[in-house]
Amino acid sequence: KNEVEQSPQNLTAQEGEFITINCSYSVGISALHWLQQHPGGGIVSLFMLSSGKKKHGRLIATINIQEKHSSLHITASHPRDSAVYICAVMDSNYQLIWGAGTKLIIKP
Amino acid sequence: DTEVTQTPKHLVMGMTNKKSLKCEQHMGHRAMYWYKQKAKKPPELMFVYSYEKLSINESVPSRFSPECPNSSLLNLHLHALQPEDSALYLCASSQVGVAYGYTFGSGTRLTVV
Repeated sequence: KNEVEQSPQNLTAQEGEFITINCSYSVGISALHWLQQHPGGGIVSLFMLSSGKKKHGRLIATINIQEKHSSLHITASHPRDSAVYICAVMDSNYQLIWGAGTKLIIKP
Repeated sequence: DTEVTQTPKHLVMGMTNKKSLKCEQHMGHRAMYWYKQKAKKPPELMFVYSYEKLSINESVPSRFSPECPNSSLLNLHLHALQPEDSALYLCASSQVGVAYGYTFGSGTRLTVV
C-alpha cells in the first residue's frame, strides 16, 4: 500500500463544474503539499498545509490531520485547469513522499 | 526573484557524451534538490544538498554526478548515460529543516540516444 493515495486517478469534467481531488496518507507528516504539473512542464506549488484550510483564487485546499486526509477543490473549473494535480506529504525528515497524481481534463 | 531557473530546457545527448544540467535560485534557499521524472510517474528524488553539502544520495548511479559550487547554484554532470536515463530532470529549492514550501524549476527534458 502506498503511503500517499490519491483519488481519482483520472477525472474529466465540463467547464464550470466543481472539482474535488482527494489525498489520504498513512505516515506522520509535518506538512502536505498540493502541486500542479502541466504536460511536459515543471511543477508549480499550489498550497502547503499543516492544518485547516487555504484558499487562493478558485482553488481551496483542506486538511484533516486526525483523519490523515486532504482535499483540493476547484470552483468554476476552466479548460486551463487541465493538468496533473499531485499530493505530496513532507515527512518528519522534511522529505517529500509523492502521490501518483490525478490527471484532470476540463472540457469546454 | 522567486524562481528556480533550469538550463537547458531540452537536451539530446549520445551515450558517450558529457553534459551538465544547471539550476539556479536567488531566494536564499539553502536546500536544493534534483529529481528525475519519467512519463506519467511522480518525481523520484535523486540528490539533496543542504548548506552546499550533499546530504542525501538516493543510490543514484555514478554516471550522475551532482555539484553545488555555491548557495545559489546546483549542477548535475552527466556522463555515459543510457537510453533509460531519458526523463524530465527537475530541480527544486527550499529552506532547510522546517516545513517551508518547495519551489520547482520547469525542468530539463533529457533524451539519450
